[in-house]
Amino acid sequence: SQELEQSPQSLIVQEGKNLTINCTSSKTLYGLYWYKQKYGEGLIFLMMLQKGGEEKSHEKITAKLDEKKQQSSLHITASQPSHAGIYLCGADMNSGAGSYQLTFGKGTKLSVIP
Amino acid sequence: SAVISQKPSRDICQRGTSLTIQCQVDSQVTMMFWYRQQPGQSLTLIATANQGSEATYESGFVIDKFPISRPNLTFSTLTVSNMSPEDSSIYLCSVDSWPENTEAFFGQGTRLTVV
Repeated sequence: SQELEQSPQSLIVQEGKNLTINCTSSKTLYGLYWYKQKYGEGLIFLMMLQKGGEEKSHEKITAKLDEKKQQSSLHITASQPSHAGIYLCGADMNSGAGSYQLTFGKGTKLSVIP
Repeated sequence: SAVISQKPSRDICQRGTSLTIQCQVDSQVTMMFWYRQQPGQSLTLIATANQGSEATYESGFVIDKFPISRPNLTFSTLTVSNMSPEDSSIYLCSVDSWPENTEAFFGQGTRLTVV
């Protein structure tokens, strides 16, 4: 089974609407990264969360890591066509030293209708 | 869905030498991406590899240090040249599946240690 579950798989919203993407694990997340990818481009780093209860915002995008450090959400307020793309969460699930490879969710494809 | 086979999975190399990482995809893809992930840091895009043209490198990465080949639509290599300990990292290849799929596809990663 997927270690990092990302939902929904795809999302179509009307411009101006709010939306939330979730990333959930049964294991503790020692670092949680959110990325965005547009067609033909590489991943763009959005935010990184490490502490339980941490919340970060950049422009209209807010990401949170829950207190238990097993779930993160990405919230977009008043979506715009420029927000369209694939959103991907990546997590450091390695508690020991010497291993830092990220595990990735499957991505959420966001379409914003003008 | 695309299945990516990346090898080697790990290697320990002497400084000054070069290592070539291979990425094989089980279907034809337009774009392939090479990333580096250093300890405690996010993924960093090294370059985008298109078949039949030179790779496009991101700021801070140059072809002499990270030459890339893309001979066909299912295969690419990344070479880390004249390695130093600062090159110790995980290197990942990824393919562009947009817009047909919602998934992001990654290779298993190559963990490189330079001594």
